[in-house]
Amino acid sequence: DAKTTQPPSMDCAEGRAANLPCNHSTISGNEYVYWYRQIHSQGPQYIIHGLKNNETNEMASLIITEDRKSSTLILPHATLRDTAVYYCIGTFGNEKLTFGTGTRLTIIP
Amino acid sequence: GAGVSQSPSNKVTEKGKDVELRCDPISGHTALYWYRQSLGQGLEFLIYFQGNSAPDKSGLPSDRFSAERTGGSVSTLTIQRTQQEDSAVYLCASSKLAPWGARDYGYTFGSGTRLTVV
Repeated sequence: DAKTTQPPSMDCAEGRAANLPCNHSTISGNEYVYWYRQIHSQGPQYIIHGLKNNETNEMASLIITEDRKSSTLILPHATLRDTAVYYCIGTFGNEKLTFGTGTRLTIIP
Repeated sequence: GAGVSQSPSNKVTEKGKDVELRCDPISGHTALYWYRQSLGQGLEFLIYFQGNSAPDKSGLPSDRFSAERTGGSVSTLTIQRTQQEDSAVYLCASSKLAPWGARDYGYTFGSGTRLTVV
């Protein structure tokens, strides 16, 4: 799996867009970028993933740079329930996921 | 079932006893993974099943830990002679196993078993 780097923590005001960055400069051409989040005391939850193109689903948008060395997860209208640890993972998709330390996102009322 | 089911949700055991943790994955998910998470720590990979075989056992911390999967479905993680350092939340996840390059939808995690060794 590609090594990823994320800021340890971020704050975002409720109702604003939360933009979580991830660097993955060593990612291979066939490795996907996956995002998960873990709300306190729960198992991690899949959010979104992408390969080259930007992706959007009901939870979030994923913006991947053209060189694929970094990406940004966007939560368009953050709510208090979005407070969690967010993990960015590079993976071929068919083996174990290696979770790093992630970004602890706190949504401020 | 609709999600990944783990049982028990909580387990308190005495040091030295054996424990069995159960995971019932989503129907049709051929891949199954065990992780553990100690208090305040990240997720630590333990073992991965593809069907009934375990191609990656690299995360099992010692020979006191073992896991099996039968019928391509339910998996059991067994910890023998439990130690206090085994206290953690044990998480199970399942996923569709997609061919290389194909799209899949990631892991679905269960709610975990909180193991406390006293």
